[in-house]
Amino acid sequence: DTAVSQTPKYLVTQMGNDKSIKCEQNLGHDTMYWYKQDSKKFLKIMFSYNNKELIINETVPNRFSPKSPDKAHLNLHINSLELGDSAVYFCASSPGGGEVETQYFGPGTRLLVL
Amino acid sequence: GQNIDQPTEMTATEGAIVQINCTYQTSGFNGLFWYQQHAGEAPTFLSYNVLDGLEEKGRFSSFLSRSKGYSYLLLKELQMKDSASYLCAVRDSNYQLIWGAGTKLIIKP
Repeated sequence: DTAVSQTPKYLVTQMGNDKSIKCEQNLGHDTMYWYKQDSKKFLKIMFSYNNKELIINETVPNRFSPKSPDKAHLNLHINSLELGDSAVYFCASSPGGGEVETQYFGPGTRLLVL
Repeated sequence: GQNIDQPTEMTATEGAIVQINCTYQTSGFNGLFWYQQHAGEAPTFLSYNVLDGLEEKGRFSSFLSRSKGYSYLLLKELQMKDSASYLCAVRDSNYQLIWGAGTKLIIKP
């Protein structure tokens, strides 16, 4: 009965490869997010979707492409992986439209690019 | 630009009280959040302040002063399991969350 789940938990790959990370939430939330947390532990928003529509797209290389097939899923595809992409990627969701808008985070995907 | 400042690391003793400060400069303000993140785990929600004053929730309290751009998280009766990073985040005028780098809290017996 995991609220926000991500797969895979660990991802080790070579430079230049293409990889995807999947995220699903069963909370009935309208809004989903992708964050990158680097070695300095800074959480940076990458994308936000509300009801399958992109609402935040921070300055992220266009090698990163989010896809939301429905409001319960937000996947992240990364092309031509680079060493600097190594980080922990967190998916999160929030109800959408509420005042408090607590975000619920997935367990994270630890990506290591060699 | 937008900025959230927190101390990088703090150390405290089990059973004691610790206060983690957060100052912010953001374009607008629509609430301040504190999250807890244990090593290797996801952040989890602790508290939310949108009005000035103190919000108490068990051993944890959070204070906000909007005029000073300042908040603190107060942890009482510290336990070893409180060793974690504490992230301050402010929601700006566009309702985007701006995150601080977090304060790593080390609890010693």
